[in-house]
Parts: sequence; C-alpha cells; structure tokens
Amino acid sequence: NAGVTQTPKFRVLKTGQSMTLLCAQDMNHEYMYWYRQDPGMGLRLIHYSVGEGTTAKGEVPDGYNVSRLKKQNFLLGLESAAPSQTSVYFCASISAGEEETQYFGPGTRLLVL
Amino acid sequence: AQSVTQLDSHVSVSEGTPVLLRCNYSSSYSPSLFWYVQHPNKGLQLLLKYTSAATLVKGINGFEAEFKKSETSFHLTKPSAHMSDAAEYFCVVSDRRSKTDTGRRALTFGSGTRLQVQP
Repeated sequence: NAGVTQTPKFRVLKTGQSMTLLCAQDMNHEYMYWYRQDPGMGLRLIHYSVGEGTTAKGEVPDGYNVSRLKKQNFLLGLESAAPSQTSVYFCASISAGEEETQYFGPGTRLLVL
Repeated sequence: AQSVTQLDSHVSVSEGTPVLLRCNYSSSYSPSLFWYVQHPNKGLQLLLKYTSAATLVKGINGFEAEFKKSETSFHLTKPSAHMSDAAEYFCVVSDRRSKTDTGRRALTFGSGTRLQVQP
C-alpha cells in the first residue's frame, strides 16, 4: 500500500513549456485534490474531483487543467507554464464515507524560468 | 465560506518549555478542524483532528488541541517542546458540512506558524 504518490518529484520548465503532473492513489478513494503551496502561505486548492470522470475548479484554477480518467489517477496539466506557477504541488485524496482525513502525497517541486 | 487565521507567523520556545500555537476559525456550520505539521522540504503530516466528538483532541508526539466553539478557536499545545518539533504548523478547516455531506470536502489552510525550538 503506497498511499498517495506523485510524479515527478522535481522539474524545471522554461516559460511557455507544458507538462503534466501525475498523482496516483491505491486506497480506492473517491475524492482527489490538487493544491499548491507558496512561501509564507498555506496550501491553496487548484482543482478537485469527487469521482472518476468528474473534475471541478478550486480557488486558484487559472492556467491549469485536470483529468480523472481512472479512479486511481488525477492529472494536473500546465499548458503554457509561467514563472508565477513556480510552486510546490501537493496531491491529496479521501474516501467517500465518514472518513475525514485527507492523505497527502510527498509533493512536486516545480520551477518555471 | 470558512476561513482560518493563525495568529502568529513565528513562535520561538526553549526546549522543555510549553508550546502554544494559536488558531481561530470562521465557519457558518460546525466545522472539522485539523492541525498538520510540515518539516523542512517534507510533505504534510496529520497531527490531530476534531470532527465533532470530544472537544479536547489528543494527537501524535504529545500534541493536543481544544475546540472552543464560543471562542471559535482551536489552539495547539504541547507541555514540553523537543528539538524535533521545530517545523511549520498549519491549522486547517474542512468545508464538509456533515458526515453525509457529498460536497467537495476540500481543506482551507491557515498561513502557517513556524515553530523554532532553542536548545
């Protein structure tokens, strides 16, 4: 049981390049989330999914797209990276029942030059 | 919408002395509240959570927090600080309205409190 995993751990992009961050969970969780963390701030919600095939916007969705084609995977895409997207990205998941705890991945550190 | 305010961005204590990290929340319903810890260049670890059961919640590593609805507070305490407690601490509120709520159940984070422990 690996929990929540994220790929890659670290990436450097040039402005305008695109990339996809992968989040995978093996706990059969319904809900999945992408957050970003910037210095001096807590995590902010980018996008989320309440089940396979569904996605929705969070508080800071601009410049990002997501897909949830398989229940265990939640992809975050940057179509044209900007320096303002330099951040640490965390994925999380929870089950649909009474369980409240969100399980976080280890994070992906992204630097956009 | 709910929000979280961590009243101190930085707290410094001596090893062996008590720790108090303050958190106030705003929510239009009875919230679920959490404290997470993040060590440098590491991920997030859940310390404890309050989900409408006992108001005094005990967590890992000797931490505990008390939910006070009248004061809208959820302060984190530890009787005796250890050097390994030095980290960033986040107070967090869930937007889940009830155990049967099927909404987004996302988390709103405070801006964090950096705890420094002096030898």
